[in-house]
Amino acid sequence: QKEVEQNSGPLSVPEGAIASLNCTYSDRGSQSFFWYRQYSGKSPELIMSIYSNGDKEDGRFTAQLNKASQYVSLLIRDSQPSDSATYLCAVNGGLHQLIWGAGTKLIIKP
Amino acid sequence: SQTIHQWPATLVQPVGSPLSLECTVEGTSNPNLYWYRQAAGRGLQLLFYSVGIGQISSEVPQNLSASRPQDRQFILSSKKLLLSDSGFYLCASFRDAGANSPLHFGNGTRLTVT
Repeated sequence: QKEVEQNSGPLSVPEGAIASLNCTYSDRGSQSFFWYRQYSGKSPELIMSIYSNGDKEDGRFTAQLNKASQYVSLLIRDSQPSDSATYLCAVNGGLHQLIWGAGTKLIIKP
Repeated sequence: SQTIHQWPATLVQPVGSPLSLECTVEGTSNPNLYWYRQAAGRGLQLLFYSVGIGQISSEVPQNLSASRPQDRQFILSSKKLLLSDSGFYLCASFRDAGANSPLHFGNGTRLTVT
């Protein structure tokens, strides 16, 4: 069975520090990887997508993909209280299928 | 750009009552549409998907059903709700037609079965 694993947290990070979120996946054939942010009571919103090994940067966010080790991570630099949310990792599992992690709750402390 | 509308935003229903949640999509044609459920503190569970009018695929056995009467309309239903049906229901579509496209979600419906 295809799985995506995330540490449920909560992960507590001081404001201004780097938050590091990790995700591992089981399907070696996966080609697409996504990070979503979900505020309490709201729907998930896409913040990063990554398709090839290495780093991809977008503002304060950096996604890192290592297909050989089957992990994908999200770094948030200069963390702000508004970054406090649950971060969901999703991996393409085939046609019509995204495999979802349970999410990591991130708390940024002022 | 694509917009997904869901209603109602919140719903409280007694056990045994029927359910109808509606999702409509603007800004695209012939989208693949998806119903997900998220239980409290849990990940997203795919319930149904549809690749076209009248075409429904179910991912999990349950007392819910889905229908797609129009190209941009997707409905989630139940004849008799169970307590375990409580959760956050999300309608989604892929942002574009590419194989690596991310999912885009509506605002969701919070269902509480009492």
